[in-house]
Amino acid sequence: EAGVAQSPRYKIIEKRQSVAFWCNPISGHATLYWYQQILGQGPKLLIQFQNNGVVDDSQLPKDRFSAERLKGVDSTLKIQPAKLEDSAVYLCASSLEGTSVYYEQYFGPGTRLTVT
Amino acid sequence: AQSVTQPDIHITVSEGASLELRCNYSYGATPYLFWYVQSPGQGLQLLLKYFSGDTLVQGIKGFEAEFKRSQSSFNLRKPSVHWSDAAEYFCAVGAQTGANNLFFGTGTRLTVIP
Repeated sequence: EAGVAQSPRYKIIEKRQSVAFWCNPISGHATLYWYQQILGQGPKLLIQFQNNGVVDDSQLPKDRFSAERLKGVDSTLKIQPAKLEDSAVYLCASSLEGTSVYYEQYFGPGTRLTVT
Repeated sequence: AQSVTQPDIHITVSEGASLELRCNYSYGATPYLFWYVQSPGQGLQLLLKYFSGDTLVQGIKGFEAEFKRSQSSFNLRKPSVHWSDAAEYFCAVGAQTGANNLFFGTGTRLTVIP
């Protein structure tokens, strides 16, 4: 079974530029998560999708971050414009439907973003 | 609100020695508790989880953890560490209701010396 795929693996941009990350979840997984992991910290949930609807985006800085999950499969996370403090690893995870019963989250390898 | 504290930022152990990584949580009810491991350049891998029942849970790679409600702890243990266990370890708590999301601690980096 293929795991969660993410691209690119690394990205370096200058502040005020825009960037986009892509995630392909495990086939059949209805729930998709984007986490931000700043160096020295644990992952922090940015947004959670159930199919193509948003379940939780309370921690997403909506003035600069946006995410979508078209057709309930792949997802993209965008930052525009980027700030220095956005430097982090962006992790994508997926699970079976998980709004009433907990299902294990499977994580991708992440995208390491450096903003200079 | 949920929160997780991992008081040890970095631990060094000798190969073959025993290991205990500490985790304390804050949650108003009985939580779901997890330990994840992250190797360099890799995503997080689930080691074990506690939902209910037996407070001593077994996981992959020879790890176990014990849920102690009175101490709000969920410490991870391994009787004999291998060099390949060197990684970052994260404790996480999940709500039993709602959006299935996780709250992670800040992690403990494990170094294994020969």
